[in-house]
Amino acid sequence: KAGVTQTPRYLIKTRGQQVTLSCSPISGHRSVSWYQQTPGQGLQFLFEYFSETQRNKGNFPGRFSGRQFSNSRSEMNVSTLELGDSALYLCASSETGIGHYGYTFGSGTRLTVV
Amino acid sequence: QKEVEQNSGPLSVPEGAIASLNCTYSDRGSQSFFWYRQYSGKSPELIMSIYSNGDKEDGRFTAQLNKASQYVSLLIRDSQPSDSATYLCAVRESSASKIIFGSGTRLSIRP
Repeated sequence: KAGVTQTPRYLIKTRGQQVTLSCSPISGHRSVSWYQQTPGQGLQFLFEYFSETQRNKGNFPGRFSGRQFSNSRSEMNVSTLELGDSALYLCASSETGIGHYGYTFGSGTRLTVV
Repeated sequence: QKEVEQNSGPLSVPEGAIASLNCTYSDRGSQSFFWYRQYSGKSPELIMSIYSNGDKEDGRFTAQLNKASQYVSLLIRDSQPSDSATYLCAVRESSASKIIFGSGTRLSIRP
C-alpha cells in the first residue's frame, strides 16, 4: 500500500507570493489533516478535511486555506506569503480521523520564503 | 487552549538501559493518545497508541496511561542507538477529532 504522498518536497518562494501544496492520502483514507512544523512552535494543527468538508480548523490566519477532492486528495494554499511561513508542512491521513486511529504522515513539503 | 506538555530534553540514556518519556495533557475528556517518533529531517512515525488506563506493550515499547492524573508515558527497554530521536506525545481532543501534539522530547542513546 502506498503511503501518504506530498508534493513538492521543497519550495522556495518570495514574500507576497502564494503557494499550493498537494497531498495524496493512503488509499481508503478519507481524513486528511495538515500541520505546520517549525523549530520554535513544534507541530501546529492547520485544518482537517473529511469527505470534502473541513471538519476542524486551527488558529491560523485566513491566508491559509485548504480543500479536499472527491478522491480524498487534498491541497493547501497559502496566500501573501510572509517570512514566518517558512516551515515544514506535513500532511497526515487516517481512515476516519476519529476514535483510536492515529495519523500516518507524509514526508512533508519544506517551504522557504525569502 | 488545550495543551500537551513534554520535557524538551535532551534526555541522555546509556545503551541497554530503560528510557522513560513523560507527557501531561489538559483535556480531561480526551480518550485517545499516541506516541510518535521523529528522526532528524524525517516526518513523524506512529509507534504506539493507547486508550485504556494501564499499560500497553509492543516489543521494547510500553505505553502507560493514567487518565485520572492526565498523564501518559512511554518506556523504551534495552535502548539502542537507533532509538535516538525526538518523541512526540499526541492527544485527540474530546470536543473535536483533531490531534494535538506536544513539543517533543529529544532522546539520545549513548553507546
